[in-house]
Amino acid sequence: AIQMTQSPSSLSASVGDRVTITCRASQGIRNDLGWYQQKPGKAPKLLMYAASSLQSGVPSRFSGSGSGTDFTLTISSLQPEDFATYYCLQDYNYPWTFGQGTKVEIK
Amino acid sequence: EVQLVESGGGLVQPGGSLRLSCAASGFTVSSNYMSWVRQAPGKGLEWVSIIYSGGSTYYADSVKGRFTISRDNSKNTLYLQMNSLRAEDTAVYYCARVQYQPTEGFDYWGQGTLVTVSS
Repeated sequence: AIQMTQSPSSLSASVGDRVTITCRASQGIRNDLGWYQQKPGKAPKLLMYAASSLQSGVPSRFSGSGSGTDFTLTISSLQPEDFATYYCLQDYNYPWTFGQGTKVEIK
Repeated sequence: EVQLVESGGGLVQPGGSLRLSCAASGFTVSSNYMSWVRQAPGKGLEWVSIIYSGGSTYYADSVKGRFTISRDNSKNTLYLQMNSLRAEDTAVYYCARVQYQPTEGFDYWGQGTLVTVSS
């Protein structure tokens, strides 16, 4: 199975900060990667698919990039509602695998 | 409006079985790729299984041979039959709809149903 390694596992940031989360695949996955946001007690929410396609209704401060093995999710200006845990998911081949998550906390 | 509502979770002893249901509304389950994702308490997300519109199925290695994904077209409902349950299967189980094609992400999720495997 493809291993997805996210970094950092957690970070503290302030409102207005630029935040970058990375995800590395153990083998090439083209651009078959999605990003999800999860708040406590809630189902995950799709932010990005195909590495850089913004899901409908998601604010434009979210962006994604990468191809092959290295991917990033960037929040250009962190807002109070963005404090959550973020996961990447490779949907290149089965079994699909998530990264371990990155918790974004308030500094 | 698209909605997914899971049910069927609960407490079960190790070695036991449970069937989860995911009732869909606002779209047709059989025309979409549907999946199950789980989350152990305090842990990250784990993909469990998917069923294609054409009926093909795939599983995580951790559940292969024990879990079966299926659907009832007449009820517009997705299922997950879980057999030989282990303590490590304890988790909130979410059903999710794949957006258009695999590689386009899960655009709708249910609220989750908790499965606890314990004696």
